[in-house]
Amino acid sequence: VQLLESGGGLVQPGGSLRLSCAASGFTFSNYAMSWVRLAPGKGLEWVSGIKHSAAVTYYADSVKGRFTISRDNYQNTVYLQMNSLTAEDTAVYYCATSQQLIFDYWGQGTLVTVSS
Amino acid sequence: EILLTQSPATLSLSPGDTATLSCRASQNVGTYLAWYQQKPGQAPRLLIYDASNRASGIPGRFSGGGSGTDFTLTISSLQPEDFAVYYCQQRSNWPSLTFGGGTKVEIK
Repeated sequence: VQLLESGGGLVQPGGSLRLSCAASGFTFSNYAMSWVRLAPGKGLEWVSGIKHSAAVTYYADSVKGRFTISRDNYQNTVYLQMNSLTAEDTAVYYCATSQQLIFDYWGQGTLVTVSS
Repeated sequence: EILLTQSPATLSLSPGDTATLSCRASQNVGTYLAWYQQKPGQAPRLLIYDASNRASGIPGRFSGGGSGTDFTLTISSLQPEDFAVYYCQQRSNWPSLTFGGGTKVEIK
């Protein structure tokens, strides 16, 4: 199992960023996927999840209305579109498989820094 | 939202010691609790799921217990590679998934 995140970087407050997570080594279309973040000096925070069919998505209250999760089961990729970013969104963002809402496999993460 | 409180925040121990980490939930989560290990600069790793089941490839020195609101992670005979931060996570209150604040196990 391999999960490779990309798309992180420095963005100004109010800006947008789109993260990608390319999956390999397993049947991606059978797995629910999630994004989890680790902010500096803080603990892990679940951000968003999407079922294997992409028909159902979930969000933490802290990002609801600003972030959108999606997936492409042909490209074996899950995305996180992040809008209206604030300093509180600064974190390392991990994608993870989340079958049964347990985070079995994780990527190495991509750093998002929101700063002017 | 179910809050998970981990204690202590930091545990200072020596290799060979036994570590006992606590996770307390603000509501009954049954046995829907998992534990993860995270080392600096690395991704988290699943250790225990459903309170007491070791994930694939996890050594037997890691064990989990508890149910309802009180859970423990025990690491017997600490190895040098076990010094890390440990998080608990509940999946009872779906789709609101929450983690505890973490316990850092450091070398004394």
